[in-house]
Amino acid sequence: EAGVAQSPRYKIIEKRQSVAFWCNPISGHATLYWYQQILGQGPKLLIQFQNNGVVDDSQLPKDRFSAERLKGVDSTLKIQPAKLEDSAVYLCASSLGVGSTYEQYFGPGTRLTVT
Amino acid sequence: QQQVKQSPQSLIVQKGGISIINCAYENTAFDYFPWYQQFPGKGPALLIAIRPDVSEKKEGRFTISFNKSAKQFSLHIMDSQPGDSATYFCAARMNSGYSTLTFGKGTMLLVSP
Repeated sequence: EAGVAQSPRYKIIEKRQSVAFWCNPISGHATLYWYQQILGQGPKLLIQFQNNGVVDDSQLPKDRFSAERLKGVDSTLKIQPAKLEDSAVYLCASSLGVGSTYEQYFGPGTRLTVT
Repeated sequence: QQQVKQSPQSLIVQKGGISIINCAYENTAFDYFPWYQQFPGKGPALLIAIRPDVSEKKEGRFTISFNKSAKQFSLHIMDSQPGDSATYFCAARMNSGYSTLTFGKGTMLLVSP
């Protein structure tokens, strides 16, 4: 079974520029998550999709971050404009459903450096 | 507010020794406590998980001990191997609605040969 795919793996941008990350979840997984992992910390949920609808975006900085999941499959996370504090690894995860019954599978992440 | 506190931040254990990582939580509504293992350049992967109706769960060399009254749980790695060197995260989740994982800050484990 193929895992969660993410691209690009690395990205370096200057502050105030924009950037987009792409995620392809495991086939058949209805739930998709984007996490931000700052160096030395655990992942923090940014947004959770159930199929193509947002069910939790309470920790997403909506003035600069946006995400969409078209057709309930692939997802993109965008930052515009980027700030220095956005430097982090952005992890995508997916699961068959919601709740603790369903294991979350993480992708390798995109390491973003904002200079 | 950090809802899951993890310690130590880093740990060095000799090969064959026991690695112990501790976590404490605040929210009594949590009912699922997984541990994740993360290697450099990789995403976290589920290692072992426990629910509060049991006090211990063992899978191979990995054991979770759970103390509901103290709101604490720990990961024990028996016979630690250099291949266990990684960052370990505890997490907690409520099984209600669209509840999500709350992670600890992680413990970087180094097992020396």
